[in-house]
Amino acid sequence: NAGVTQTPKFQVLKTGQSMTLQCAQDMNHNSMYWYRQDPGMGLRLIYYSASEGTTDKGEVPNGYNVSRLNKREFSLRLESAAPSQTSVYFCASSGWEERYEQYFGPGTRLTVT
Amino acid sequence: SQQGEEDPQALSIQEGENATMNCSYKTSINNLQWYRQNSGRGLVHLILIRSNEREKHSGRLRVTLDTSKKSSSLLITASRAADTASYFCATDEVLRDTGRRALTFGSGTRLQVQP
Repeated sequence: NAGVTQTPKFQVLKTGQSMTLQCAQDMNHNSMYWYRQDPGMGLRLIYYSASEGTTDKGEVPNGYNVSRLNKREFSLRLESAAPSQTSVYFCASSGWEERYEQYFGPGTRLTVT
Repeated sequence: SQQGEEDPQALSIQEGENATMNCSYKTSINNLQWYRQNSGRGLVHLILIRSNEREKHSGRLRVTLDTSKKSSSLLITASRAADTASYFCATDEVLRDTGRRALTFGSGTRLQVQP
């Protein structure tokens, strides 16, 4: 199993450009998440999807949109990138409610100039 | 807002020594988890302790939870250079606006184990 995969690994955008970060998991997990991690900080939840067909805002959703394409895939879109969105983005998934441990992808390092 | 806060922010020890990291949180939790992050990588789940448990072991890891003090500690015994990483606690809480469960991560402890 590949676990959680993310593409791309690195991206540089100019202010105002748009892009979509892709995430896929092959563990048949119901829940998927997008986080951002800034230097010296923990992870902050952007959006999550508790199950296929549902999405909810997390702590820092402004400037982002998400799509839960199917059970496997959860994408994050920046419609008009801003320098404040320079960060490392992690996708994660989790399975059974009572276990609730999350499995993380390797991250996408995004720089907005 | 960050629920879990780790202490210390950074810790440097010699190989073979024990490393202790602490986490404090503010609200009621269902469980508390510890994760590890190697430089440039994603987080890896280490251990989960439920609110009705006081101590849990996994290999060289020992986690304690004191719900009365809203705190947890992670002990790594006989540390190795390969344990060098950042360690995060995460608390499981119900988000007020959606009623759904989500993890909230602290800012982490950076552990450096000198060979």
